[in-house]
Order: sequence, then C-alpha cells, then structure tokens
Amino acid sequence: AQSVAQPEDQVNVAEGNPLTVKCTYSVSGNPYLFWYVQYPNRGLQFLLKYITGDNLVKGSYGFEAEFNKSQTSFHLKKPSALVSDSALYFCAVRDSGGYQKVTFGIGTKLQVIP
Amino acid sequence: DAMVIQNPRYQVTQFGKPVTLSCSQTLNHNVMYWYQQKSSQAPKLLFHYYDKDFNNEADTPDNFQSRRPNTSFCFLDIRSPGLGDAAMYLCATSVGPTRNEKLFFGSGTQLSVL
Repeated sequence: AQSVAQPEDQVNVAEGNPLTVKCTYSVSGNPYLFWYVQYPNRGLQFLLKYITGDNLVKGSYGFEAEFNKSQTSFHLKKPSALVSDSALYFCAVRDSGGYQKVTFGIGTKLQVIP
Repeated sequence: DAMVIQNPRYQVTQFGKPVTLSCSQTLNHNVMYWYQQKSSQAPKLLFHYYDKDFNNEADTPDNFQSRRPNTSFCFLDIRSPGLGDAAMYLCATSVGPTRNEKLFFGSGTQLSVL
C-alpha cells in the first residue's frame, strides 16, 4: 500500500528566510508525487508535481520540490518565505501501478513570521 | 472562471437525519471525487466517478452514498449521520484517470452533526 509521511505538524520560519517542508513516501512502483496547499476556509490547490525527469520541480508561487529516490523524499522548498505563504501544505502520492487513488499526508502547517 | 463549487459551505444536521452535500463543476472533467477531511488528518478518499462508473473505496462506510446524474454534478448522501461523520467534505475533479493528473478542489462543506 502507498503512504505518505509528513513528519512535522508545524514549521515556523521568519519572513525572507528559506523554508523546507518535509515529505517522505512509500510506493511499490514508481511514484507520482504532488504538493497541494490549503488556505483557511478554502479547498486544496495544486502547487507542483513530479512525474519523471529532473529531480528539481518548479511550481506555483515560487515553490519548488526536490525528488530524492534513494531517500524516498519529496521536500517542498522556497528560497524566501512570504507571510502570505502561511497555510497548510499537503504532500500526496500516486503509485504508478495503481489506479486513480491519491494518498495524502496529514499536512504541515507553515507559519511565516513577519 | 471554470471551477469546482460546493454547496453549502456549512451544513448542520441532526444525528441520524439524512443529509446531502452538493458539488458542481464547470471544468467538464471526467473524474469526480469525494474526500473526507477531519481535523489534523489527511484527506481520505471516499469514492470517485470516472464518467458514470462508480468506484467505492473498500473502507467507506455503507452510510455514505453518491450520485452523479450528469458530468457537472455529483452528490454525497449520508443516510444516517453519526457524530463521527462531522468533518470537512471535499469534492475534487480531474481531467481523466491518468496518474499524472492533478486534482481541482472545491472549497469544501463543513458538516456538523448535533
């Protein structure tokens, strides 16, 4: 069975500093990996995805994520955090051998401090 | 703008009283999903439709049913809500069933059970 782990319930970072939100995954085949963001009282919004190719994936709002197959990780990063980045971030995975089901992590709350 | 719309935003029902949550989409996507999201937990897939084909997750309680009368609309019926069914219910769509497809989410319906 596929699974996603987000080891940090909350990440605090000062505005202007780089941020990292961690994610590790487990799948039986090749992973399709996603990051979504959820702002208060809103649904989830797609940020970026890794399917194949370059291990560094660029997405919306200046976010990027680095795929590391040996560490089965897909950490979300941004060089300079904004207060408006404060939100709940979800990592998700689809198994290449599976069907449409997307498995989400429990989410990490990002708090950017002014 | 094309989007996924969920109504109502907040729904209050009584223990055991049937309730229906609605989702509509203007994206003309083939796949529609229902997720249950409880506080501090990962969104959990309940079921999905690929066109008219209904796919139920193995651990979705029988108390939960769904209808998709046409491409644009999908409904979640909870026949006899219990206190444990209080949650955010998220509707999502995707263009198709391929594994690299991203999901488009509505803003969710927060269900309270009294």
